[in-house]
Amino acid sequence: DTEVTQTPKHLVMGMTNKKSLKCEQHMGHRAMYWYKQKAKKPPELMFVYSYEKLSINESVPSRFSPECPNSSLLNLHLHALQPEDSALYLCASSQEQGSTDTQYFGPGTRLTVL
Amino acid sequence: QKEVEQNSGPLSVPEGAIASLNCTYSDRGSQSFFWYRQYSGKSPELIMSIYSNGDKEDGRFTAQLNKASQYVSLLIRDSQPSDSATYLCAVNSGDSGAGSYQLTFGKGTKLSVIP
Repeated sequence: DTEVTQTPKHLVMGMTNKKSLKCEQHMGHRAMYWYKQKAKKPPELMFVYSYEKLSINESVPSRFSPECPNSSLLNLHLHALQPEDSALYLCASSQEQGSTDTQYFGPGTRLTVL
Repeated sequence: QKEVEQNSGPLSVPEGAIASLNCTYSDRGSQSFFWYRQYSGKSPELIMSIYSNGDKEDGRFTAQLNKASQYVSLLIRDSQPSDSATYLCAVNSGDSGAGSYQLTFGKGTKLSVIP
């Protein structure tokens, strides 16, 4: 089973709202990722957690705040977003953050910021 | 700057034909290569992974890797309309000392299979 789940599927929020995206995997993977994907563009890496520690932060604005409560869960807290942050947010996981590890993607959360 | 280049297409092939998708990458140290299929509005789905030079076949899909030429390709035999999607080439590269690797994606090739 290579399932990564994400909730919610769709989210509409105003620029003053605070919301959270959730991601879960039960494959025993120790690396988890957040990507942002705009229409007709490839996924763009935002954050990587390896063994529940933040490994990579690709200079993402502070209005995006990741959290890894345990090895199965990954959250992305959103605050004071801008309309240009509207995108498909993808979570992925892999066994580890190694040179040959395969990443499996969740179904994504479609975010619209009004 | 690690780069992955793909022809953005669109690539149109008739049903039953072979679709050939190509990708080049810049980081000679890369060790693993992936093809993901993405339908419009959906998330990327892993189609193939390849790690060694040569061909790897899985059903109608064949991935080919040539590390000397820094080239990876995906062949889809007997193409079906359901294969119409964007195909993303992804290369895993990073810092071996830190044990920190990440995927670099190409821009994707849009494939249309015409009935």
